[in-house]
Amino acid sequence: GAGVSQSPRYKVAKRGQDVALRCDPISGHVSLFWYQQALGQGPEFLTYFQNEAQLDKSGLPSDRFFAERPEGSVSTLKIQRTQQEDSAVYLCASSPRAFNQPQHFGDGTRLSIL
Amino acid sequence: AQSVTQPDIHITVSEGASLELRCNYSYGATPYLFWYVQSPGQGLQLLLKYFSGDTLVQGIKGFEAEFKRSQSSFNLRKPSVHWSDAAEYFCAVGYTGTASKLTFGTGTRLQVTL
Repeated sequence: GAGVSQSPRYKVAKRGQDVALRCDPISGHVSLFWYQQALGQGPEFLTYFQNEAQLDKSGLPSDRFFAERPEGSVSTLKIQRTQQEDSAVYLCASSPRAFNQPQHFGDGTRLSIL
Repeated sequence: AQSVTQPDIHITVSEGASLELRCNYSYGATPYLFWYVQSPGQGLQLLLKYFSGDTLVQGIKGFEAEFKRSQSSFNLRKPSVHWSDAAEYFCAVGYTGTASKLTFGTGTRLQVTL
């Protein structure tokens, strides 16, 4: 079966533009996570979905960041009015059940803000 | 708050030599612990996990890790390193219970010399 798929792989945007990053989790996986990985750092948690419910968004750095998973499968991370500090790799992960399961990661979207 | 420390930013070993990557965590309860590997431009691949039970866990690619509660450590080991093991290695800790978001260390970059 297919793994976690993220698109686009690379995104370049000018400061102030809005961007949307897509994540297709492994089919049937209940839990979906977004992480932000700055250059030379480990991933940092952004937000978590259990099916379509966003249960934790404590890691979103500002109200410019918004995530959704309306049908409990595909998720979109949207960043409005992008700033240079938003440049990072955005990783999506999914796991089969709600609690304490290993997370399977996609290859990420590398976002560069000019 | 939970945290993970990987004290070695960069390690170089010769092919065929043994390897140990250090990981220390700070967490009030029993942690769920993971090691992931990341090759350039790729997402994270799970090497092994510790949830409970035997404190010595075996993973893929010949890696193992030992959970030592008294030292708050979860060090990764491999008896004989292969050139293809060169990558970035991340230790991560998860909550026991709900919303298993992971907290990652800053990573250790492994270089293998021939």
